[in-house]
Amino acid sequence: KQEVTQIPAALSVPEGENLVLNCSFTDSAIYNLQWFRQDPGKGLTSLLLIQSSQREQTSGRLNASLDKSSGRSTLYIAASQPGDSATYLCAVASRGFGNEKLTFGTGTRLTIIP
Amino acid sequence: ETGVTQSPTHLIKTRGQQVTLRCSSQSGHNTVSWYQQALGQGPQFIFQYYREEENGRGNFPPRFSGLQFPNYSSELNVNALELDDSALYLCASSREAGGLGEQYFGPGTRLTVT
Repeated sequence: KQEVTQIPAALSVPEGENLVLNCSFTDSAIYNLQWFRQDPGKGLTSLLLIQSSQREQTSGRLNASLDKSSGRSTLYIAASQPGDSATYLCAVASRGFGNEKLTFGTGTRLTIIP
Repeated sequence: ETGVTQSPTHLIKTRGQQVTLRCSSQSGHNTVSWYQQALGQGPQFIFQYYREEENGRGNFPPRFSGLQFPNYSSELNVNALELDDSALYLCASSREAGGLGEQYFGPGTRLTVT
């Protein structure tokens, strides 16, 4: 059974700082890993998708890395802004005949202090 | 292309009642997945439909059922509602067979059971 853990559960940093969010998973037999952003009471917005054969993906100020062998991914946010405040979720798409699904972590609640 | 839409936005039901939630997939997507997100938790996989057939199910009882229609829109039905069914229900669509590609989420339906 795949389990996904995100540390820390909450993080507050001053505006302008660079920061790293962590995600770990127990079963390395994955198809891909996806990072999402969720604003309070809202749906999920996809940020980055990393296929199992890739090591990292970049989009603007965001960079996500994947180390499948160690079961870890990081989301790096450069030059943080107050608009980055949200909950960040990582999700892993696992192999499993007839049961393909995303397994989510519980998220990191990020607050950027102006 | 239009995004994933869900209806209704909010819903209040009484314990024991039945509810139907609806989801319209993003244009060109043939796979839809449903998730339940309790307050402060990550989304939990309910089930997935691919080309109108169920293609995987999480640890949810049979009173959670679904349908996918020829236009790839979908319904989630929950019978005999319980207080613990109160949650944000999210659907996600994907272009890839089996739903292993990037998942695009709708805004969710907030269900409150009293």
